[in-house]
Amino acid sequence: GAVVSQHPSRVICKSGTSVKIECRSLDFQATTMFWYRQFPKQSLMLMATSNEGSKATYEQGVEKDKFLINHASLTLSTLTVTSAHPEDSSFYICSARARGGSSEQYFGPGTRLTVT
Amino acid sequence: AQRVTQPEKLLSVFKGAPVELKCNYSYSGSPELFWYVQYSRQRLQLLLRHISRESIKGFTADLNKGETSFHLKKPFAQEEDSAMYYCALQETSGSRLTFGEGTQLTVNP
Repeated sequence: GAVVSQHPSRVICKSGTSVKIECRSLDFQATTMFWYRQFPKQSLMLMATSNEGSKATYEQGVEKDKFLINHASLTLSTLTVTSAHPEDSSFYICSARARGGSSEQYFGPGTRLTVT
Repeated sequence: AQRVTQPEKLLSVFKGAPVELKCNYSYSGSPELFWYVQYSRQRLQLLLRHISRESIKGFTADLNKGETSFHLKKPFAQEEDSAMYYCALQETSGSRLTFGEGTQLTVNP
C-alpha cells in the first residue's frame, strides 16, 4: 500500500513551453502533497506544500507564477512549469501524506525534466 | 531556521564492517528525525524514524538531543546496503521535511 506515482517519468520540452507533471496517490487519500526539486548529486529542496482544495504554500525563493501547483482532489496534485527555461531542468519529486494517517510521507519515483 | 548536515558525501566500507552515517541538525524545538534511503534507480523510501525506536534492516539511529545528532549505524554492513541515505527533520508532525545533503554509502565485497 501507500504508492505514489508520477507522470511522466521523463519529459523533454523546448524553452518557452509549459509542462505539466502529475502526482497521484494510488491507494490512499492524500490531504497534503509536497513538491521537491533535486539537482544532480544534491539533496531534495522543498518547493511547495499543497493541501487539497486550497492554495499551495511556496517556499522562499520559489516563483509561484512559474511553478503552478493544483491539488484538485485527494489523490491528484499537478505541478506545471510555465515558460520553461534550461535552468528549470531538474528532477522533480512529489510526496504525499495520507489523510488521517501518520506524518510519514510517501514519495513518487520522480520526473526528469529537460528543457532544451 | 532548521538545518540538517550530513558531513560525508561518500562513505565506503567493506562487507561485514560496521558503518555509521553521521547526521547533525539545528532546530530550536523538538523535531522528528528520519532516515530515508534511495537504492539505485528506486524512489526515496523511509528507513526509520526516531520516535519508533526500531531497527530496520539491521540499522538503528539514536536521537542525541545534547549533541543534536541522529547518526545511523549498522554493526555489519551488507553489499545490498549500498545506497544514498538522507537524514531529514520534521518540525511538527505532518509538516515539511528538511533534508540533509545525503551520504552515498558503498559496501564493497
